[in-house]
Amino acid sequence: SQQGEEDPQALSIQEGENATMNCSYKTSINNLQWYRQNSGRGLVHLILIRSNEREKHSGRLRVTLDTSKKSSSLLITASRAADTASYFCATGYNFNKFYFGSGTKLNVKP
Amino acid sequence: EAQVTQNPRYLITVTGKKLTVTCSQNMNHEYMSWYRQDPGLGLRQIYYSMNVEVTDKGDVPEGYKVSRKEKRNFPLILESPSPNQTSLYFCASGRDRVSEQYFGPGTRLTVT
Repeated sequence: SQQGEEDPQALSIQEGENATMNCSYKTSINNLQWYRQNSGRGLVHLILIRSNEREKHSGRLRVTLDTSKKSSSLLITASRAADTASYFCATGYNFNKFYFGSGTKLNVKP
Repeated sequence: EAQVTQNPRYLITVTGKKLTVTCSQNMNHEYMSWYRQDPGLGLRQIYYSMNVEVTDKGDVPEGYKVSRKEKRNFPLILESPSPNQTSLYFCASGRDRVSEQYFGPGTRLTVT
């Protein structure tokens, strides 16, 4: 499979703590994107990092990309109960398809 | 408001009864696609379209058809639904094949 795979599958933390989730993929990519999904709803785009970028920030989100290891990480700082959701990485390849991983389920306890 | 709409949101049907799930976007996006989401399997791409009259198979196209006669619409057709097509379906659109994707609210389909 060319899918990105997230790790861990589930993560439970207290409000205020940082949450880190990882994504690995198998082939060369054009970019890597992170999405959030609240229970059973449509996915919402969070951040896109291009293959020639190493780190990107957006508010409390920090994404890193290591193309040599074919991996990316998403860090959510100072987490809130509202961050409770599933998080997916998605990879856009040089072909036309789009691949999503199976997601990390984050639970932030108040 | 920029959005992707899907209809219906919920559908229960019987094996073999043809159905269509509609998808429409108002952002003039060229790239549209359909996904199914199943527990433990994440989202899998069914079909995608690069532009009007240009469609191609994703990872799990068997049992599905699509068409792209207009830029804004991308319906998903199940000619003869089977129980293994019970799933949560999402339509998405993007400016192009590598840009951020905008998702519809989902269609929960049950085939008995």
